[in-house]
Amino acid sequence: KNQVEQSPQSLIILEGKNCTLQCNYTVSPFSNLRWYKQDTGRGPVSLTIMTFSENTKSNGRYTATLDADTKQSSLHITASQLSDSASYICVVSALGGGNKLTFGTGTQLKVEL
Amino acid sequence: NAGVTQTPKFQVLKTGQSMTLQCAQDMNHEYMSWYRQDPGMGLRLIHYSVGAGITDQGEVPNGYNVSRSTTEDFPLRLLSAAPSQTSVYFCASSYTSPSLHEQFFGPGTRLTVL
Repeated sequence: KNQVEQSPQSLIILEGKNCTLQCNYTVSPFSNLRWYKQDTGRGPVSLTIMTFSENTKSNGRYTATLDADTKQSSLHITASQLSDSASYICVVSALGGGNKLTFGTGTQLKVEL
Repeated sequence: NAGVTQTPKFQVLKTGQSMTLQCAQDMNHEYMSWYRQDPGMGLRLIHYSVGAGITDQGEVPNGYNVSRSTTEDFPLRLLSAAPSQTSVYFCASSYTSPSLHEQFFGPGTRLTVL
């Protein structure tokens, strides 16, 4: 069964600090991996998407990495801001098209002063 | 562009009542999906549509109906609401398969069934 596991479940950091969120998956055959940011009371918004051949992708202060061999991804947030407080969801797609997406349960990040 | 819009934002139903959650997109996307989000669980696919007139079941379709008469609209109908359907519902759209193209989500509808 395809699964996506994220850690930690929740995290509290001080403004200006860096943090790293983890995503492990067992989806096969792998197509791509995405990170979404979901603000409270809003729908998820895409941050990055990576295919098998991509190791790193950045979007401003967000940097995602992918190790397709170990089936792990991380999302690194640099110089955190209060507006980074949100749930971060890892989503993995399987080859074959269609709607073969497996969603993680998310990491709830809170940035405090 | 408004993107993906959903109405209502909040809804409270009594067990056995029926209702329709509205979803519309103005990006001319062929692919539209309905998900539910429950605490401690990842988003789960209810129904999806690959184009006007074509719908299919997702992971958790029981108790829900959909139709797609136009490219823009994709309503979700609860036939006889049950407390187990208390959840946050998200509509999403993408140019083609969301496995291949970015999926855009609506703001969600928070449904409570008493």
